[in-house]
Amino acid sequence: AQSVTQLDSQVPVFEEAPVELRCNYSSSVSVYLFWYVQYPNQGLQLLLKYLSGSTLVKGINGFEAEFNKSQTSFHLRKPSVHISDTAEYFCAVRPFSGYALNFGKGTSLLVTP
Amino acid sequence: DTEVTQTPKHLVMGMTNKKSLKCEQHMGHRAMYWYKQKAKKPPELMFVYSYEKLSINESVPSRFSPECPNSSLLNLHLHALQPEDSALYLCASSSVGEKLFFGSGTQLSVL
Repeated sequence: AQSVTQLDSQVPVFEEAPVELRCNYSSSVSVYLFWYVQYPNQGLQLLLKYLSGSTLVKGINGFEAEFNKSQTSFHLRKPSVHISDTAEYFCAVRPFSGYALNFGKGTSLLVTP
Repeated sequence: DTEVTQTPKHLVMGMTNKKSLKCEQHMGHRAMYWYKQKAKKPPELMFVYSYEKLSINESVPSRFSPECPNSSLLNLHLHALQPEDSALYLCASSSVGEKLFFGSGTQLSVL
């Protein structure tokens, strides 16, 4: 079984400031790691994924994440946020041999001027 | 075409109604999914179809009935729902072992 913990339910930040959204996971099998974003009244959009290889993964909209196997973490970062980044962010894992995603509870990012 | 299309976008139904949610993709994906999402919560997996066969049913009540008529279409038939079933219903698709593409969802209200 797998579980995902997003340590912060809400993260307020000023525009142009850096941000880090934290994600830790536990799993008895090898997993793939994902970050999804959900804007109000919309479905989920993939920001980035870690499958293998380099532990620093770059995604869309200037986001990046670093996989840390020893700490079982996959934190999401952006050096300078925009108002338009205000959304719900979900970390998710999927076993190598499985289909479905297991989501964390989500982090609400609120960017203000 | 990298879209998953869901219809309708909004649905209001009574507890005695029968309705269906529809999902379509033309990316050649052979895995399709139904998720349920309550407000301010993460999506919860309901069903997974792989190669048009139901492979995962996460103990969903029988008032929800999925159907996969072909590799591009996925339906969710609804009957005798309860008010607590009100939620955003998300469809997703993927190649087997690859990332999921999500539709924009159907916002369902049960009165």
